[in-house]
Amino acid sequence: DAMVIQNPRYQVTQFGKPVTLSCSQTLNHNVMYWYQQKSSQAPKLLFHYYDKDFNNEADTPDNFQSRRPNTSFCFLDIRSPGLGDAAMYLCATSHPGGYEQYFGPGTRLTVT
Amino acid sequence: QKEVEQDPGPLSVPEGAIVSLNCTYSNSAFQYFMWYRQYSRKGPELLMYTYSSGNKEDGRFTAQVDKSSKYISLFIRDSQPSDSATYLCAMEGNQFYFGTGTSLTVIP
Repeated sequence: DAMVIQNPRYQVTQFGKPVTLSCSQTLNHNVMYWYQQKSSQAPKLLFHYYDKDFNNEADTPDNFQSRRPNTSFCFLDIRSPGLGDAAMYLCATSHPGGYEQYFGPGTRLTVT
Repeated sequence: QKEVEQDPGPLSVPEGAIVSLNCTYSNSAFQYFMWYRQYSRKGPELLMYTYSSGNKEDGRFTAQVDKSSKYISLFIRDSQPSDSATYLCAMEGNQFYFGTGTSLTVIP
């Protein structure tokens, strides 16, 4: 089945220790998104890519970076995680101009 | 003012009840209106979408959009325990805007 896969599903990291979250998709969608979702809050868009064209949201902290080496894969790097970065990180894909986003299961990040 | 406002609930109803979930928004440029369902510790999944104003029905679910009032609704008929989840409204203008989600519990 075509899908969006995120690894790992659960990630524990120490305060200040860099961490990378990964996302892959078999839908062949041009657009990929990274969202941060904290408890009882709306998903907050961090980045999105139209193909390899990178778009950084204005209020995304510099601590967060993203890479998209090819259509299928996208990575979220958190350079120095703080306690406030503990959240669910969601990857999503869509066609350009598409109204429907397909979400992965998310990676729950814990910072100790 | 937030782009999208959604009552977080929680909402608790008995099995078989009709559930009404609502969102308001401020940007009249929004054209696509979506409802996502998110089970605990899972990613959101698209439930329904509506383009512009009007109603759309899919089984037990009905989505309504009133652009003049900037108000959208999702109705669930004959609610089931398996409907227990968080329901997020979302809208597309030049980007996606999500509501905070309404937590629904359907009690057997």
